[in-house]
Amino acid sequence: QQQVKQSPQSLIVQKGGISIINCAYENTAFDYFPWYQQFPGKGPALLIAIRPDVSEKKEGRFTISFNKSAKQFSLHIMDSQPGDSATYFCAASIRGNTPLVFGKGTRLSVIA
Amino acid sequence: SAVISQKPSRDICQRGTSLTIQCQVDSQVTMMFWYRQQPGQSLTLIATANQGSEATYESGFVIDKFPISRPNLTFSTLTVSNMSPEDSSIYLCSVEDRGGTAGELFFGEGSRLTVL
Repeated sequence: QQQVKQSPQSLIVQKGGISIINCAYENTAFDYFPWYQQFPGKGPALLIAIRPDVSEKKEGRFTISFNKSAKQFSLHIMDSQPGDSATYFCAASIRGNTPLVFGKGTRLSVIA
Repeated sequence: SAVISQKPSRDICQRGTSLTIQCQVDSQVTMMFWYRQQPGQSLTLIATANQGSEATYESGFVIDKFPISRPNLTFSTLTVSNMSPEDSSIYLCSVEDRGGTAGELFFGEGSRLTVL
């Protein structure tokens, strides 16, 4: 049973466009939702994270939108750049209680 | 943020052999995690390693295949035993930074194992 479902599997976006990656979760006890960015040959790096008490969090060009009732959250990358080309993973956990459960990842390619 | 060093960064191994991966953290951490990332796939938690206690393994992973040591608060090892080609993966060490604002999980660069 996959606890975090991520889509799309791959995404191609024009430079300057908006990249949108979606995740849905099943466990209503999850209270921590991070996004990780992974470049080839590197370990995943935390990009941005949100708690369920807010509906949106923005850090620079990266925004998480969170819909608690729908059990969904998404990552928006504004003004996408070729340097954003990487694999993005959403994850969820019960902080201090359970380890992170990861989505299957989205391979983003930003083309000029 | 925690800085995590893993050794080896990559290795090519023969079927039936075992390999031990080391993970060194630049600060003391309570919980360390070992993940596996198969080629082009997501991250799957193998086990949680707490200092001074036995590692806790996730479903599908057993101690005989993936023995873990956690001798102190800055170091852990994961051994992949009796390897087969199906064990070819990236193995990632991670720690939770409870000193941070969000209990962030930091990852090492990973150890890429190829089993022939």
